[in-house]
Amino acid sequence: AQKVTQAQTEISVVEKEDVTLDCVYETRDTTYYLFWYKQPPSGELVFLIRRNSFDEQNEISGRYSWNFQKSTSSFNFTITASQVVDSAEYFCALSELNTGTASKLTFGTGTRLQVTL
Amino acid sequence: GAVVSQHPSRVICKSGTSVKIECRSLDFQATTMFWYRQFPKQSLMLMATSNEGSKATYEQGVEKDKFLINHASLTLSTLTVTSAHPEDSSFYICSVRLARQLSIYEQYFGPGTRLTVT
Repeated sequence: AQKVTQAQTEISVVEKEDVTLDCVYETRDTTYYLFWYKQPPSGELVFLIRRNSFDEQNEISGRYSWNFQKSTSSFNFTITASQVVDSAEYFCALSELNTGTASKLTFGTGTRLQVTL
Repeated sequence: GAVVSQHPSRVICKSGTSVKIECRSLDFQATTMFWYRQFPKQSLMLMATSNEGSKATYEQGVEKDKFLINHASLTLSTLTVTSAHPEDSSFYICSVRLARQLSIYEQYFGPGTRLTVT
């Protein structure tokens, strides 16, 4: 069975601080995808990144960066120089590549990030 | 622009009535759509996989007779909450599964429907 754990339920930082959101996953599959989504107060999920299990290269997109460590089953997300607009709920998710399961997503419990002035 | 739309965005209904939520794929034909439920301050939980032209596949613990799913066309899936009760009050989100490459799928999420049962 798949499982995604986001141990941090809520994080509060002051604007311009860096913040890292942790994600640890469990799966018996050797091939899978990992995702991060942002959910602002409006509720709509915003896709941030998809990473497949064969690609352990870290990725940077503007102020966002992701650290995928297969050895520790972690896929952490760092926001550099945080801004108030980053305040949202962030979800890490895991998807199998087995088409028989229709590529269902298993979500973590989410981390609520609050960035204040 | 938006790939997936949901209607209505908010609905309030009385206990015992039924509510239908629509999920539309705007730019793509989708053979597979997913329905999720999110309780306040909780994660998204997959309820069912909606397959065009066939019966939906429900996750364990989800009552198929209570949450009726109809995927009658490649662009529309509907979720009907029958005999709604206050505990059904939740945020319902659909997603559309699209194939980017062979065996590589992406899910695009709708904006969600907030259901309140009084």
